Amino acid sequence: ILNVEQSPQSLHVQEGDSTNFTCSFPSSNFYALHWYRWETAKSPEALFVMTLNGDEKKKGRISATLNTKEGYSYLYIKGSQPEDSATYLCAFAVPGRRALTFGSGTRLQVQP
Amino acid sequence: ETGVTQSPTHLIKTRGQQVTLRCSSQSGHNTVSWYQQALGQGPQFIFQYYREEENGRGNFPPRFSGLQFPNYSSELNVNALELDDSALYLCASSSDRGSEKLFFGSGTQLSVL
Repeated sequence: ILNVEQSPQSLHVQEGDSTNFTCSFPSSNFYALHWYRWETAKSPEALFVMTLNGDEKKKGRISATLNTKEGYSYLYIKGSQPEDSATYLCAFAVPGRRALTFGSGTRLQVQP
Repeated sequence: ETGVTQSPTHLIKTRGQQVTLRCSSQSGHNTVSWYQQALGQGPQFIFQYYREEENGRGNFPPRFSGLQFPNYSSELNVNALELDDSALYLCASSSDRGSEKLFFGSGTQLSVL
């Protein structure tokens, strides 16, 4: 059974704060790690897909790192804005399986 | 470029009934995956369709079935509904069977009473 853990479950920060979340996944049999942002009443939106150990991806104020040897990925948000309020999901893929295994998400609320 | 659309957005059924959920994939995408998200959990993989064939299935009973049509739109059918089937059902399309990023619809909220 594949287990993807995300922490924290929820986070409240002030506008302008920088924050980070963790996604832990099995370190063996890795294929890819996805991050999605899911705003209330909208569709989940892909942020990053990472496949190589040491990968770092950036999109505006959001960045992510990947460590496949120890089985974790960090998502960083620099200078959080109210529009960053969303649930952030990570998902893990293994070779040969069609499914993504999702964590339960980190719910971020940014107070103006 | 049209996005992924799902219908209906909300649905209320009673236990034992059958339901069909629909999904139109993003243009150019030949792969559709269905996920179930129960309250407080992450989405769980139901199955994937690639070029009209089932291409992988999660830990869901046979009463969950699907179809993909030549235009790559898809249906999810659930027979003999149970209370635990109450969840948000998400459809996602992609241009590959592997681990390309998924493009999600906004989901169908199913309530089984």
